Amino acid sequence: KTQVEQSPQSLVVRQGENCVLQCNYSVTPDNHLRWFKQDTGKGLVSLTVLVHENDKTSNGRYSATLDKDAKHSTLHITATLLDDTATYICVVGSNTDKVVFGTGTRLQVSP
Amino acid sequence: NSKVIQTPRYLVKGQGQKAKMRCIPEKGHPVVFWYQQNKNNEFKFLINFQNQEVLQQIDMTEKRFSAECPSNSPCSLEIQSSEAGDSALYLCASSLNSGNTLYFGEGSRLIVV
Repeated sequence: KTQVEQSPQSLVVRQGENCVLQCNYSVTPDNHLRWFKQDTGKGLVSLTVLVHENDKTSNGRYSATLDKDAKHSTLHITATLLDDTATYICVVGSNTDKVVFGTGTRLQVSP
Repeated sequence: NSKVIQTPRYLVKGQGQKAKMRCIPEKGHPVVFWYQQNKNNEFKFLINFQNQEVLQQIDMTEKRFSAECPSNSPCSLEIQSSEAGDSALYLCASSLNSGNTLYFGEGSRLIVV
């Protein structure tokens, strides 16, 4: 059974629109939840990390929330740009060395 | 921006050949991870190190891979005998400690023909 589920699998928005990506997980312990951006064929770039119950973070146009009770996180991207076209990956893990990756949401921003 | 450097970016190997990938972690990061990302975007943890010591590895890595992180040299991951199913993007990540953010390299894409 998938331990980190992301939705939607893919999403197309027009430049300038906002979008919301979802991450539901069943991983325990869930000390950290991270969102990464992966451009096609490249490595992962960290966008934000959430640690505490009801954490909210903001990093420029990216903001994220975490509900540990519901085991759910959202990533909001405001005023999307063409460069936001990428796969966004949710990663949940503990303070030890095992983390579990979602399979990502493929976002395409059209002109 | 991450300064984890992976080489080569691409490698093509025949079945049964060895495939070696290297990773220079971010300066000062003692913890290094290797992951395999397949075409379905599924990530598989392979092995991790703290300094030169292996912390954890999966069964497949122990049996078919050779990995090390020597001091003052790049870390390496080598498949001893490549199989078609090994075709994937191999990602190296480093961290200050186990609870900190992972910094990823650009990956080495292996194609086994």
